[in-house]
Amino acid sequence: AQSVTQPDIHITVSEGASLELRCNYSYGATPYLFWYVQSPGQGLQLLLKYFSGDTLVQGIKGFEAEFKRSQSSFNLRKPSVHWSDAAEYFCAVGMHASGGSYIPTFGRGTSLIVHP
Amino acid sequence: DAGVTQSPTHLIKTRGQQVTLRCSPKSGHDTVSWYQQALGQGPQFIFQYYEEEERQRGNFPDRFSGHQFPNYSSELNVNALLLGDSALYLCASSLNRREQYFGPGTRLTVT
Repeated sequence: AQSVTQPDIHITVSEGASLELRCNYSYGATPYLFWYVQSPGQGLQLLLKYFSGDTLVQGIKGFEAEFKRSQSSFNLRKPSVHWSDAAEYFCAVGMHASGGSYIPTFGRGTSLIVHP
Repeated sequence: DAGVTQSPTHLIKTRGQQVTLRCSPKSGHDTVSWYQQALGQGPQFIFQYYEEEERQRGNFPDRFSGHQFPNYSSELNVNALLLGDSALYLCASSLNRREQYFGPGTRLTVT
């Protein structure tokens, strides 16, 4: 069965500092990979996705992620964090299902705290 | 262009009661998926509806059921509520069962 591990429950960074959120997955086939962000009281917003091709993926809000098959990782990065980036971040792996659909399995999330 | 909308925003129910949550998909989307997000956890997949039929189901009991209407909107029904059903229920819509867009969720509290 597929699974996602986000080893860091909380991450604290200073505004302007760089950020890396870790994600490791377990899946037998080539995965679909996603990063979502959830602000308090809000739904999930898709930051970026990897389906195939270039392993460095650019997303919204200045985020990027790199797929490393050998390490089963899909870490999220941002060169300079803004106070508005404080939120919960979820990594997900999409299981291929019938009819070309996929069902994402989510990690438990990493809470990002940004200090001024 | 309206995104995914859900109603109600919050509700409180008593153990043993039944609840219905509603979701309207993003314009142009034909697939609706439902997720349960317990406090401090990631969302867990409940089921997915496409062409008014349940196409995929996660590891949830039969107390959880759903429906999709011809206009693609959807309902999630939970019978015989348990305290453990307290969670944020998220609806996501997609086109042809692909990339999913999430609504703001319904916060259910069972007392």
